[in-house]
Amino acid sequence: GIQVEQSPPDLILQEGANSTLRCNFSDSVNNLQWFHQNPWGQLINLFYIPSGTKQNGRLSATTVATERYSLLYISSSQTTDSGVYFCAVTDSWGKLQFGAGTQVVVTP
Amino acid sequence: SAVISQKPSRDICQRGTSLTIQCQVDSQVTMMFWYRQQPGQSLTLIATANQGSEATYESGFVIDKFPISRPNLTFSTLTVSNMSPEDSSIYLCSVTGKETQYFGPGTRLLVL
Repeated sequence: GIQVEQSPPDLILQEGANSTLRCNFSDSVNNLQWFHQNPWGQLINLFYIPSGTKQNGRLSATTVATERYSLLYISSSQTTDSGVYFCAVTDSWGKLQFGAGTQVVVTP
Repeated sequence: SAVISQKPSRDICQRGTSLTIQCQVDSQVTMMFWYRQQPGQSLTLIATANQGSEATYESGFVIDKFPISRPNLTFSTLTVSNMSPEDSSIYLCSVTGKETQYFGPGTRLLVL
């Protein structure tokens, strides 16, 4: 099946810093999504981005489908950005395959 | 968008017992998905529940251990049977939107 690899596995940021999270996938995909899981476990969709670039406030994402990677940018990080960021792709069976996640801790 | 609720939000259970988790969606959906998230791990799909047919289970998950019901287009239940400490996880219900996947708040299960 399709492999989804995320890096780095862990990230500690000081409030106000910028960061980039990466997601590599092993095969062509029709669908790529970024999720944020807050410390209470709630999973929220951030972006649906099979290709191109999107921005939402301090977050933006870019997917280069031909090179099989996606990047999530966090700018001017805040403590509320803490949590786990997951990349997920839809495989050929229509099922969502998740990466291992990046654990982000933003310190005051 | 879809709003998903789950009950219970958390529970502590004794090994050998069973727990049924409920998932309610605020709109009619064809497919509902159940995921497991073990401590510190990513999400793993348990099964896909279609209304009016048997659930489809992923490799490593069986109906005897995780029976699923889907009585209508807005509701589903997942039962975790004959629990062991290894079943301690967050269980999440999910539905597919136009372009995104929506998740319930999860059920945190601790098996002692």
